[in-house]
Amino acid sequence: EIVLTQSPGTLSLSPGERATLSCRASQSLSSTYLAWYQQKPGQAPRLLIYGASSRATGIPDRFSGSGSGTDFTLTISRLEPEDFAVYYCQQYGNSFTFGPGTKVDIK
Amino acid sequence: QVTLRESGPALVKPTQTLTLTCTFSGFALSTSGMCVSWIRQPPGKALEWLARIDWDDDKHYSTSLKTRLTISKDTSINQVVLTMSNMDPVDTATYYCARLYYGGDPGPFDIWGQGTVVTVSS
Repeated sequence: EIVLTQSPGTLSLSPGERATLSCRASQSLSSTYLAWYQQKPGQAPRLLIYGASSRATGIPDRFSGSGSGTDFTLTISRLEPEDFAVYYCQQYGNSFTFGPGTKVDIK
Repeated sequence: QVTLRESGPALVKPTQTLTLTCTFSGFALSTSGMCVSWIRQPPGKALEWLARIDWDDDKHYSTSLKTRLTISKDTSINQVVLTMSNMDPVDTATYYCARLYYGGDPGPFDIWGQGTVVTVSS
């Protein structure tokens, strides 16, 4: 099973700042089958990024994804108030596994 | 507009079998490449994938839970059903169903239901 590790566990930032979230896989992901989801309290996850770098429908361009192999990054260029949430990475090329999540909270 | 909605009991007793239903609209599970999965999330914890059923009735299960899970579909009424046997308090979680499309390449979970909370307690 492919294990995903996310860092940091919590990221404390202010609105307008840049957020950089990391996801590392225990083995190389084939063809970058890596997605990022945003989850707010009491809500279902929402797909942000798939294929490591493609934005899902309706996702603002302040969200970007990059990486390949075992190391991936989600960047939020300028945090808006609605961006404070938990972010999960997921691999979907070899069954499905999720990372433990990174919480982005207000500093 | 694609929507999914989970339904089922809010409370089950230990050792009982849980039956959850995912009712969807806006797509046909009979369409080549369409799939529906179940994912759960214990309180305050991360997401865990459980099972997937494909347009051609192929079924896939979490390795750690496969002996307890059964997934099925009824395309005529746009429903996917998940049963989980021998429920335990550690199975307390929010259970989600989600759509994915497998068109040659695997796809992510693009649309999720709002989730249903299941508590396991005597």
